[in-house]
Amino acid sequence: NAGVTQTPKFQVLKTGQSMTLQCAQDMNHNSMYWYRQDPGMGLRLIYYSASEGTTDKGEVPNGYNVSRLNKREFSLRLESAAPSQTSVYFCASSDILGLSRNTKLFFGSGTQLSVL
Amino acid sequence: QKEVEQDPGPLSVPEGAIVSLNCTYSNSAFQYFMWYRQYSRKGPELLMYTYSSGNKEDGRFTAQVDKSSKYISLFIRDSQPSDSATYLCAMSRLSGAGSYQLTFGKGTKLSVIP
Repeated sequence: NAGVTQTPKFQVLKTGQSMTLQCAQDMNHNSMYWYRQDPGMGLRLIYYSASEGTTDKGEVPNGYNVSRLNKREFSLRLESAAPSQTSVYFCASSDILGLSRNTKLFFGSGTQLSVL
Repeated sequence: QKEVEQDPGPLSVPEGAIVSLNCTYSNSAFQYFMWYRQYSRKGPELLMYTYSSGNKEDGRFTAQVDKSSKYISLFIRDSQPSDSATYLCAMSRLSGAGSYQLTFGKGTKLSVIP
């Protein structure tokens, strides 16, 4: 019963390097999300995908791109990493289409990313 | 003023104590209220959710919403060391773009001491 699986769990990058964070869910959920969590800032939405084939910007999309590969998978790409992108990244999914009044999110275990 | 305020703690209590965790909010448009629990190095997990003002109970946990005061609480009775975690409040409202926006509090770190 995997739920939401994120890879990798840890990553260290140098400034300017690129990488892709992978996320997959096995709950047949329609919607998927990428959040970042920083000390003192809480959880902030980067991008979300209400359904397969659609993506929308969240609160802090700059410096990131996303791909909804299929219903199960949603990836987050950093094209040119910056130290300000050092954070813990969480993928989440929900069975509600997009963010609705009563969206209940199921989170992965997170990716701890350090950009030097 | 931030939309959702939550005291980050840390909060340390002895085992068996009653714990009260709180969030205040400034926007009366928030309609749905949730509490997530996050263990160290794990993702948040949904603990409780409620829509209306009043209390909702689930085992040792009680969620309380007071819309008139823009105040929500989570009470934990007979707290256990396994309750040691960070608790995040979350609430949703209709955004200007026509979809709903989910806003999280920063989380309160709780330690229950045996």
